[in-house]
Amino acid sequence: KNEVEQSPQNLTAQEGEFITINCSYSVGISALHWLQQHPGGGIVSLFMLSSGKKKHGRLIATINIQEKHSSLHITASHPRDSAVYICASHAGDTGTASKLTFGTGTRLQVTL
Amino acid sequence: GAGVSQSPSNKVTEKGKDVELRCDPISGHTALYWYRQSLGQGLEFLIYFQGNSAPDKSGLPSDRFSAERTGGSVSTLTIQRTQQEDSAVYLCASSLGSLAYNEQFFGPGTRLTVL
Repeated sequence: KNEVEQSPQNLTAQEGEFITINCSYSVGISALHWLQQHPGGGIVSLFMLSSGKKKHGRLIATINIQEKHSSLHITASHPRDSAVYICASHAGDTGTASKLTFGTGTRLQVTL
Repeated sequence: GAGVSQSPSNKVTEKGKDVELRCDPISGHTALYWYRQSLGQGLEFLIYFQGNSAPDKSGLPSDRFSAERTGGSVSTLTIQRTQQEDSAVYLCASSLGSLAYNEQFFGPGTRLTVL
């Protein structure tokens, strides 16, 4: 059974701080997704990773397939980054259909 | 273009009643997913549809839950004889395909409260 764990569960940071959220999974996967859920509930897909590193603006996501671990980094954090960040793993081969297994999320609060 | 839409946005019902939740995916997206997010808990997969293939129902919590997708587009999630533990936000997502690299686009969700 694929299990996904995130840490920390809650994180408070001051504006400008560098933030790291970690995600570990238990079985081999073909892809890992990072999602952002705003206080209003809407979910947005941030990244899909199968290897290496991706960057979008102030957000950076990395994955280490051998260690079954991914990190989401936020540089120069801002109050508008306050949200719940969720990682989700996609088990199986990239060429097969498979459902996502979700972590429980990391609640980030960035204060002025 | 239009994103994934869901209706109703909120639904309050009495225990034992049936409810129907609707999802309109992005046009052209062949894969459609239903998820549930209970208070204080993470997202939970319920069911997904991919084209004309048989749906993957492995996440449905009981036989009171069912879903259909008509014409490869709109989907309806039905919960029969609702229970208080069914209270949650039900989220729908769609993607171009159901493979690992296909980004999923989420709807705003339907908040279901069972009294």
